[in-house]
Amino acid sequence: AQKITQTQPGMFVQEKEAVTLDCTYDTSDQSYGLFWYKQPSSGEMIFLIYQGSYDEQNATEGRYSLNFQKARKSANLVISASQLGDSAMYFCAMREGHNFNKFYFGSGTKLNVKP
Amino acid sequence: NAGVTQTPKFQVLKTGQSMTLQCAQDMNHNSMYWYRQDPGMGLRLIYYSASEGTTDKGEVPNGYNVSRLNKREFSLRLESAAPSQTSVYFCATGVGYGYTFGSGTRLTVV
Repeated sequence: AQKITQTQPGMFVQEKEAVTLDCTYDTSDQSYGLFWYKQPSSGEMIFLIYQGSYDEQNATEGRYSLNFQKARKSANLVISASQLGDSAMYFCAMREGHNFNKFYFGSGTKLNVKP
Repeated sequence: NAGVTQTPKFQVLKTGQSMTLQCAQDMNHNSMYWYRQDPGMGLRLIYYSASEGTTDKGEVPNGYNVSRLNKREFSLRLESAAPSQTSVYFCATGVGYGYTFGSGTRLTVV
């Protein structure tokens, strides 16, 4: 079974609007971490936001917030007030427990911000 | 600037050739990782090193070897390159709540 599922291969959003990128995960561990990374066309991987499984509050970092719904096993990324520079691939990832080798990535969502 | 440095950025190899991808980090982290990214897919773990002197296989280790030279450096070697190893390779380091990635090596095997 897929550990991380991103069901939106591509999305469009109008500049200045908010957008939600979906991510669901599969784990039986009680302790895990959820991450979002941005990959612009230049290719580097940029860390955006982290949510721990025991964190009760949704994580926020500037215009990024993570909508964490533990019972549904979802960790959606919300980008508020989209900017042209937000156009990129976005990857959801999960670390199971504290295992170095149990870090899984989804297949990504390509976001295009339209002026 | 603190971070992860990978060399080279681009490489074209012929089938059967060997090469080593270099990675160095100046963030003083114990763990380092090598990932590959294929078109339309997320990153998959090739090998990792939890600390200096240790290395372990990840999800897709076949055809690769690694060396953790010291705390800063972690290299990935392709002994006999195959077209299936055409990919973008990322080195990373970090702790549990966030990894820092290098800028990637785009490798083509013809």
